[in-house]
Amino acid sequence: QVQLQESGPGLVEPSETLSLNCTVSSDSILYYYWNWIRQSPGRGLEWIGYFYSGSTNYNPFLKSRVTMSLDTSKNQFSLRLTSVSAADTAVYYCARAPGWRDAFDIWGQGTVVTVSS
Amino acid sequence: QSALTQPASVSGSPGQSITISCTGTSTDVGGYNYVSWYQQYPGKAPKLIIYHVTDRPSGISNRFSGSKSGNTASLTISGLQAEDEADYYCSSYTSISTLYTFGAGTKVTVL
Repeated sequence: QVQLQESGPGLVEPSETLSLNCTVSSDSILYYYWNWIRQSPGRGLEWIGYFYSGSTNYNPFLKSRVTMSLDTSKNQFSLRLTSVSAADTAVYYCARAPGWRDAFDIWGQGTVVTVSS
Repeated sequence: QSALTQPASVSGSPGQSITISCTGTSTDVGGYNYVSWYQQYPGKAPKLIIYHVTDRPSGISNRFSGSKSGNTASLTISGLQAEDEADYYCSSYTSISTLYTFGAGTKVTVL
């Protein structure tokens, strides 16, 4: 069973950049849609975007601040979110989707990110 | 604010059946068969229990079933058990804006 594990700082200062990695425990990282999703009490579950086979698709409300990438040598995909504010405080999940528009069949355990000075 | 509408809470006694609704529009739930449901326990990640409106992933109990009529999808839990007490979220592909949209979640309580 494939497992996903998020990693990154739990505290980010306002206006700085949030950077997270997701390590995938298999060699199939090239063949799926790798997503970032966040969850907060105020905004609920929110899809941030995906990386697939060299292409990306971002939530238009976050698009100007989001970058996703893949490192096949480390079996990792990553998220960068710039100019963060308190509104970006959330639990961040990485999740796999087997295909375009498909459901998220495997999730990481999630990592709490707090934006505060 | 979530694009899909779910009841905040649903409750039932052990052994009963309950149904959670998820209402969207023709640009998401009503227009495509990409509705999914997730179960989430406190402090845990969501877990996929229904995809493509009616399909169950391997290992998911057949007590969970999904359906759709018009712009409303539904999740039915039959033979309610104490372990079913959790939050349930619906999600759908949407042809406008964000690609994926979620409901705000429904808290299921087993009385």
